[in-house]
Amino acid sequence: EVQLVQSGAEVKKPGESLKISCRGSGYTFTDYWIGWVRQVPGRGLEWMGIIYTVDSDKRYSPSFQGRVTVSADRSLNSAFLQWRSVQASDTAMYYCVRGSGSGADDFDYWGQGTLVTVSS
Amino acid sequence: DVVLTQSPLSLPVTLGQPASISCRSSQSLLYSDGNTYLNWFQQRPGQSPRRLIYLVSNRDSGVPDRFSGSGSGADFTLKISRVEAEDVGIYYCMQDTHWPWTFGQGTKVEIK
Repeated sequence: EVQLVQSGAEVKKPGESLKISCRGSGYTFTDYWIGWVRQVPGRGLEWMGIIYTVDSDKRYSPSFQGRVTVSADRSLNSAFLQWRSVQASDTAMYYCVRGSGSGADDFDYWGQGTLVTVSS
Repeated sequence: DVVLTQSPLSLPVTLGQPASISCRSSQSLLYSDGNTYLNWFQQRPGQSPRRLIYLVSNRDSGVPDRFSGSGSGADFTLKISRVEAEDVGIYYCMQDTHWPWTFGQGTKVEIK
């Protein structure tokens, strides 16, 4: 069974660093890229970036370039999203999602979401 | 960025009646490979998004056949032939033709 399992909820203070994870199972991890989507409470969905797990090539949405870093560890079948310094505006639910670029296999499995709360 | 404009943003529907959501793009979503990368997602309260439709009109496995997608170029529609109680949620169109990929604002479907 294909699963993307994300790390648990986080509560951080402004200026702290943060790294959340997404572990894939039930499929060949390097056959799919992993993307990250932000959802601010009560609002819509925004693409942040994707990482091609086979070679760790990355693409960032201009809105998030320089503000977050995506990475992956093939030995752990995991992808990561990290911040050097979180701000209150980073409070949101973050989802990971997989894709292969084929259309049919894109966005078919999502993680359960990681809620990040940033508050002083 | 490509802007996807959904309408309506709120859709109260009577059980058993049809529903239709429009998604208009600021530019064509036809890719150079001949495919149009337009998807529809359903997000039920408290859940992760779930893909319903990919490549404009292909229904995902397990998605009831009352859901259908259509359109071309920059104009797309999601239709529910007969709304059921489990269809309550927010529906998003999303394009992955042009980077950065973008979502519509979402359409909230509720039962009258």
